[in-house]
Amino acid sequence: AQRVTQPEKLLSVFKGAPVELKCNYSYSGSPELFWYVQYSRQRLQLLLRHISRESIKGFTADLNKGETSFHLKKPFAQEEDSAMYYCALKWAGANSKLTFGKGITLSVRP
Amino acid sequence: EAQVTQNPRYLITVTGKKLTVTCSQNMNHEYMSWYRQDPGLGLRQIYYSMNVEVTDKGDVPEGYKVSRKEKRNFPLILESPSPNQTSLYFCASSLSGLPLDTQYFGPGTRLTVL
Repeated sequence: AQRVTQPEKLLSVFKGAPVELKCNYSYSGSPELFWYVQYSRQRLQLLLRHISRESIKGFTADLNKGETSFHLKKPFAQEEDSAMYYCALKWAGANSKLTFGKGITLSVRP
Repeated sequence: EAQVTQNPRYLITVTGKKLTVTCSQNMNHEYMSWYRQDPGLGLRQIYYSMNVEVTDKGDVPEGYKVSRKEKRNFPLILESPSPNQTSLYFCASSLSGLPLDTQYFGPGTRLTVL
């Protein structure tokens, strides 16, 4: 069965500090992995996906198949990055379910 | 504007009183899904639909029903709500169910069952 683990519930850093939000997954096939972000009182929105190898708002995430990880990183956190972050995994099949981790709250202090 | 809408946004009800939360998307998406978000548990999928008249259970379907009579609408029905269904509910849609399709989320419906 597929599973997404976000081991921490809360990460609090000062502005300008580096950020790493951890995500590990278990899945027998080739996963499609995503990071979603939810700002206060807003809807969930896609931040980035591993297939795109993009950097969004300074965030990057690299898929490490050996460690089954997809950690989200940003070298210098900003106050506006404070939000809830969810790692998610999708099956490779057409009947695609998105499985979410439990989420982590990032708090960036001034 | 392309979007997913949900109604109502907030609802307080009592145990056993049937309710429906509507979800509508204007992007001609085939795939639609319902999630509930609970503190410490993240988002869990309730039901999903691959297309009109095609629905299937997610991870936590007990106590919920859905229907997909039209492509744009995917209502969530609670026939006899109970307090453990107090939660924040999100509807989402994507072009198809394929892995690379981005899911677009609605604004959420906060439901309280007394």
